Amino acid sequence: SAVISQKPSRDICQRGTSLTIQCQVDSQVTMMFWYRQQPGQSLTLIATANQGSEATYESGFVIDKFPISRPNLTFSTLTVSNMSPEDSSIYLCSVDIQGGETQYFGPGTRLLVL
Amino acid sequence: AQSVTQLGSHVSVSEGALVLLRCNYSSSVPPYLFWYVQYPNQGLQLLLKYTSAATLVKGINGFEAEFKKSETSFHLTKPSAHMSDAAEYFCAVSDINAGNNRKLIWGLGTSLAVNP
Repeated sequence: SAVISQKPSRDICQRGTSLTIQCQVDSQVTMMFWYRQQPGQSLTLIATANQGSEATYESGFVIDKFPISRPNLTFSTLTVSNMSPEDSSIYLCSVDIQGGETQYFGPGTRLLVL
Repeated sequence: AQSVTQLGSHVSVSEGALVLLRCNYSSSVPPYLFWYVQYPNQGLQLLLKYTSAATLVKGINGFEAEFKKSETSFHLTKPSAHMSDAAEYFCAVSDINAGNNRKLIWGLGTSLAVNP
C-alpha cells in the first residue's frame, strides 16, 4: 500500500475564488487519480494524472475548471477554479502502485463553497 | 462499457448477524473487482480485490467476497457483524479510460447500519 496525504483537509471558500488541493504520496507512483464525491453519493472520476503528460479528463470535466499538475512521481495538485456552491464536495486523490490493479486513497478534502 | 450495480442502498443488520452486500457487474473482458469501505469522515480503504486468481477472496476485518462469473456477481459477506462495521461500502470494477489507462467504475454504495 501507500501513505497518501492531502492538504487542506477541509476548507470553506467564497464563490468565484479558486482552491488548490495537494496530494502527496510516500512512494513513487505512475498514476494518480482525482475524484469528486458529492454528499451522500458515490465517487466520480475527474481525471487521471500521469507524470510527464497532460491529465486525461473524464466526460463532463474540463481543464479550465479543474487544472491538474503532476510535477513528479510523488505529488499532484488539483485546482477547483471559479467555485460555485455546486462545487461543494469531497475531493479525493488516489494512486495506483501495482501496475493498474489497485487504487489507494487519500483522506479527502472537504470543500464547502458559500 | 463496464458497469456496477449495488443492490440495496441501505442495509441494516443486528450485531452478530450475517452481513451480505450485493454487487453485480457487467464487463466485456475478465474483470478486476474491488470492495472499498468508507468510514464516516474518512477516505476509502481497500477491503479486498479479485484479479483472476482464487474466486473466494478474503479481505481485512473478516470480510470476504466470492466471484461468480455465471452470475456476474461479487457479493461481500461477513459471518458476524460488529458495531465497528457500520460504514459505506463501495463495489468497483476496473475499466480502461480514453488515455488507455485503467480506471475504476464505481457502484452507488451501500450504507451498512449495525444495530445492538
